[in-house]
Amino acid sequence: AQSVTQPDIHITVSEGASLELRCNYSYGATPYLFWYVQSPGQGLQLLLKYFSGDTLVQGIKGFEAEFKRSQSSFNLRKPSVHWSDAAEYFCAVGARTGNQFYFGTGTSLTVIP
Amino acid sequence: EAGVVQSPRYKIIEKKQPVAFWCNPISGHNTLYWYLQNLGQGPELLIRYENEEAVDDSQLPKDRFSAERLKGVDSTLKIQPAELGDSAVYLCASSLGTSLEETQYFGPGTRLLVL
Repeated sequence: AQSVTQPDIHITVSEGASLELRCNYSYGATPYLFWYVQSPGQGLQLLLKYFSGDTLVQGIKGFEAEFKRSQSSFNLRKPSVHWSDAAEYFCAVGARTGNQFYFGTGTSLTVIP
Repeated sequence: EAGVVQSPRYKIIEKKQPVAFWCNPISGHNTLYWYLQNLGQGPELLIRYENEEAVDDSQLPKDRFSAERLKGVDSTLKIQPAELGDSAVYLCASSLGTSLEETQYFGPGTRLLVL
């Protein structure tokens, strides 16, 4: 069965600092991989996704993620965090056949001045 | 373009009462999803529709939950009777096609509190 783990429940970074949010998955083959952001009172918004090809994926709002097959990871990064990036971030995995889709438990990001 | 619309945004009911949530997907989106999001957790799929057909309802607690998507557009999710443990956010999402390669667009959710 698929599973996705976000080891960090909560992360605090200073504005302007770099950010890396971790995501590990368990799946028999390479799944579809996604990162979503959820701001208070807002719906989930897709930041980026990986299906195949280049393992470094660029997304919206200056985010990127790198797929590392050997580590079963899909970590999200941003070189310089803005106060508006404070939100909940969810990693998700999807099966290439059958359309099963699972979210991680999320990482809450706080940005301090 | 209008996004996914959900109503109500908030609902407070007493246990054993019925409750219904409504979702209007993005125009032209054939696939509709209902998710349950408990506090501090990621969303969990309850049911997925392709047009009018529920193609994955394996996680829907069918003893008290029901859903419908008449005419393949709007959808309602019902709980009857509600239990304390149903307090959560209920999210609706839609996508253009059936593949997971299609982006899912989420509504703001309905926050349910059962007293």
